[in-house]
Amino acid sequence: GQQLNQSPQSMFIQEGEDVSMNCTSSSIFNTWLWYKQDPGEGPVLLIALYKAGELTSNGRLTAQFGITRKDSFLNISASIPSDVGIYFCAGHTQGGSEKLVFGKGTKLTVNP
Amino acid sequence: DAGITQSPRHKVTETGTPVTLRCHQTENHRYMYWYRQDPGHGLRLIHYSYGVKDTDKGEVSDGYSVSRSKTEDFLLTLESATSSQTSVYFCATAWSGSGTGELFFGEGSRLTVL
Repeated sequence: GQQLNQSPQSMFIQEGEDVSMNCTSSSIFNTWLWYKQDPGEGPVLLIALYKAGELTSNGRLTAQFGITRKDSFLNISASIPSDVGIYFCAGHTQGGSEKLVFGKGTKLTVNP
Repeated sequence: DAGITQSPRHKVTETGTPVTLRCHQTENHRYMYWYRQDPGHGLRLIHYSYGVKDTDKGEVSDGYSVSRSKTEDFLLTLESATSSQTSVYFCATAWSGSGTGELFFGEGSRLTVL
């Protein structure tokens, strides 16, 4: 089946630092999505990317849909303590079932 | 916020007992999903539904069954719980026609099988 390789698995950073994480796949996706899961909560959508090469920002977050459609990255600038959580990438291939393939997540810890 | 409610939020049960988790949504979303989350595995799809009484298996469906008798409710049943089914279970929904893969998640149900 389709698999996403998400890296790094975990990150420990100081407040104010920038963060970068990425996802790669052997399969092509039509949509790449990034979710964040706060401790004890369900994942929440941060950014969705719909076109190869697309670069999208949402506040301090920037994500890109790779030109090959097989990868994506997420950057967080000037991290703050509330950025703590698990970040998941997900790939979607249109076909009517609306199924996503998820990466295993990047656990982010921000030290004040 | 898609108005997704999972119940129970926490449950401890014994091996061999049946367990049913309920997901209720108020947004009239067509698609509903059950995922389990385990350390080192991320989110894995158990079963999903693409309409009332229309369901299909995900990647880790063994030992689980689902039912959807009305749009707003999606039930996940463990007929005979095992310790390997100790996990956090998430329900998610998606509205019809988007084709974007955007899912809305509930807050999770933590199940412990002793």
